[in-house]
Amino acid sequence: SAVISQKPSRDICQRGTSLTIQCQVDSQVTMMFWYRQQPGQSLTLIATANQGSEATYESGFVIDKFPISRPNLTFSTLTVSNMSPEDSSIYLCSVAGTGQETQYFGPGTRLLVL
Amino acid sequence: GESVGLHLPTLSVQEGDNSIINCAYSNSASDYFIWYKQESGKGPQFIIDIRSNMDKRQGQRVTVLLNKTVKHLSLQIAATQPGDSAVYFCAEKSPRGTALIFGKGTTLSVSS
Repeated sequence: SAVISQKPSRDICQRGTSLTIQCQVDSQVTMMFWYRQQPGQSLTLIATANQGSEATYESGFVIDKFPISRPNLTFSTLTVSNMSPEDSSIYLCSVAGTGQETQYFGPGTRLLVL
Repeated sequence: GESVGLHLPTLSVQEGDNSIINCAYSNSASDYFIWYKQESGKGPQFIIDIRSNMDKRQGQRVTVLLNKTVKHLSLQIAATQPGDSAVYFCAEKSPRGTALIFGKGTTLSVSS
């Protein structure tokens, strides 16, 4: 499976600021996704990152709060904007190949907002 | 609504025992299911998957069983080892889309 890396691995941020998280894959993949995992909870899909077009957001998530870029088939970014303590979570990217349903996850970015 | 849940939030076993982790799903249209293992400080790791046209699938020390009649999924781990200690999530996929819907997770603790 693809090797997925995320930067930063963790960060502590002040409320009101924004943080951009990067996801890099070592091979081209068709699908890239961003998930949020709140403390002690399961994973919730934020959006599907589409290459060359706007991301597709799930209910409850909006582009103004979580802008996403996907300039090519190996890279995507998620920005958490105007952060509040409620945004403290693990943010995970995942990937899937063409015609593949199995998603593989990166190591996650652990965000603490003070 | 569409959701995937687990019966028990925690499971404690002795090393060498067999473990069974259960999951109930509500969307009868889901056609693909995955089990993930998440160790502390890491992202979810793929364990095994199964399509809805199958009842059972085996991997190395793991078996997934799917009972579509009662919408139940289980993960069996044979000869559980301390390294199996982690949180286990099941996830389902609707045939209409690409999104995975995750269950709440079961924390497996293995004592030696």
